[in-house]
Amino acid sequence: DTEVTQTPKHLVMGMTNKKSLKCEQHMGHRAMYWYKQKAKKPPELMFVYSYEKLSINESVPSRFSPECPNSSLLNLHLHALQPEDSALYLCASSQDTTYEQYFGPGTRLTVT
Amino acid sequence: LAKTTQPISMDSYEGQEVNITCSHNNIATNDYITWYQQFPSQGPRFIIQGYKTKVTNEVASLFIPADRKSSTLSLPRVSLSDTAVYYCLVGDTGGGNKLTFGTGTQLKVEL
Repeated sequence: DTEVTQTPKHLVMGMTNKKSLKCEQHMGHRAMYWYKQKAKKPPELMFVYSYEKLSINESVPSRFSPECPNSSLLNLHLHALQPEDSALYLCASSQDTTYEQYFGPGTRLTVT
Repeated sequence: LAKTTQPISMDSYEGQEVNITCSHNNIATNDYITWYQQFPSQGPRFIIQGYKTKVTNEVASLFIPADRKSSTLSLPRVSLSDTAVYYCLVGDTGGGNKLTFGTGTQLKVEL
């Protein structure tokens, strides 16, 4: 199984809502990543988990809160988002942080 | 920080070889160079990764000069289905530059 799955595919939320994005992989990878991608722009790294520990936080606002419950799962908890946070949120995994990343299809988030 | 730049767009015809160059002047010793392909509304897909010299796999080749300040992705005999955005990714989460995607190159392949 060489697939990274993400749920939901689409999400519309108000600025006062709390929601979560989920990512799962069963490739035995020990590094997992969250990226944000705006239209016609490259993905921007948000967080990196290595061996279930947060190793990189690219100064992302606290309204985004990552969680890695186990080596196969990665969550991104969302609270009090702004309209400018609307984007495609991509999850990726890799064998470790020096290997190529496998990306999921993304969650298209719209904040109203 | 490895600032990574690419041509905005390239056009080609089916059957031709396409070379896309990525400039990364501030590449660090620990940094790897990885190329990805992305179709609209999909996640990027891994193409090839290298550290120095030349790497070849079943779909592409990657050329990296000795100074590693640039890299070139070579796609042999492109087809219509190769129309996509191509990104280089430079960096290392183990202590080098942070992972930075290039600006992306929109490749359009025509008949």
